[in-house]
Parts: sequence; structure tokens; C-alpha cells
Amino acid sequence: DVKVTQSSRYLVKRTGEKVFLECVQDMDHENMFWYRQDPGLGLRLIYFSYDVKMKEKGDIPEGYSVSREKKERFSLILESASTNQTSMYLCASSPLVRVTEAFFGQGTRLTVV
Amino acid sequence: KQEVTQIPAALSVPEGENLVLNCSFTDSAIYNLQWFRQDPGKGLTSLLLIQSSQREQTSGRLNASLDKSSGRSTLYIAASQPGDSATYLCAVSPDSNYQLIWGAGTKLIIKP
Repeated sequence: DVKVTQSSRYLVKRTGEKVFLECVQDMDHENMFWYRQDPGLGLRLIYFSYDVKMKEKGDIPEGYSVSREKKERFSLILESASTNQTSMYLCASSPLVRVTEAFFGQGTRLTVV
Repeated sequence: KQEVTQIPAALSVPEGENLVLNCSFTDSAIYNLQWFRQDPGKGLTSLLLIQSSQREQTSGRLNASLDKSSGRSTLYIAASQPGDSATYLCAVSPDSNYQLIWGAGTKLIIKP
């Protein structure tokens, strides 16, 4: 059974903290993605990566960075968390040549207080 | 810029009814369209993927149609069950090498 696993289901952090969201996939996929999901807005792409150490900005990269040191792991970093980053964060992976056939993790609900 | 809209945002129907969920998109130049299901705490699961050259796809009680010229897709659920309760999202891809563009979803509740 294929899996994309996000390290936390729920997180509560304080404003200004550095926050790490971790995602691991076991399907040997080249592509990995980080989205945020807010009510009424659907999913918005933050960053994606098509290879180790490679990253591309999505639609809303401001306030975020990412790290992909190993093929199976893609980390989302909030350098200084703010309340407007309270959201559901979803990680996904897909094969290189079938980029839209994505598999998703269970999501991390982050609350910044 | 491609925009994807799903109306209504929420829908509640009695068990056993057939129902249709709607998805519209502004640019007909798409590579494919997908319907996903989202359950609380379980992430998203792809239900059906329709390539731009196809008109429909079927899986069990689900049937998805695509009309590129009118910028519309529908997800038909036959004989609805309480287990169908979830949020259903529609997403389009402009081309094979690009990310998905998402609708906001329709929250479906099937009443026993």
C-alpha cells in the first residue's frame, strides 16, 4: 500500500517560532508537493520539488521555504510563524512523468497563536 | 488564468438518492481533470481522472463527465450511502508538466 506520511496531524505553535513540517513517501516518486488548504479557497501550491535538492516556487511561497535532501523526504519550513499561516497543510508525491497523478498525506492542521 | 469553481459548497441528501456534483473551469485548454475525495484526517484520494480527449470515466457507483467546450465536469453518484459523506474536490491540469489547479470543494452529507 502506497504511503505519504506527514509527521504530525495537529500542531500548535507560537508566533515567531520556526516550524518544520515533515513529509515522507515510500513510492520512489520524483515529484513532491506542499499545499495549504483554507476554507473556500481550495488547495494552493506553496512549493514543489522534482528531484533531490531541486525546488520550485508555487503560487504562494512567501513566508515558507523547503528542503529536499533525500528523495523520499520533503520538508516545509516556516521561518517565523505568523497567525495567517494557520491552515491545513497537505503533502503529495507523484511520478515524474505522471505529475498530476498525485498521492496525498493525511494533512497537518497547524494553528499559530 | 485558470479558475476552478465548485457549486454548491455543501450538499445534504437522503440516503439512496442519485446526485450530481458540479465543477466548472474558465479555460478549456486542459490536459486532464480529476475528482478527489477528502475525508477528515485521511488526506485526499483520487477517484477518477479524465484525460482531455475523453468524455467520461466510471468507477463503481461513480461516473465523471467532461465537457471541455463548456468548461464543465460533473460527478454523478448513484444510490448514495452514508459512507459517501466527504468533501469532493475537482482539479484541472493545464498540461502534463504542471501542477493541479483546485476547486474549493463540495461538502457532501448523506443522511441515513
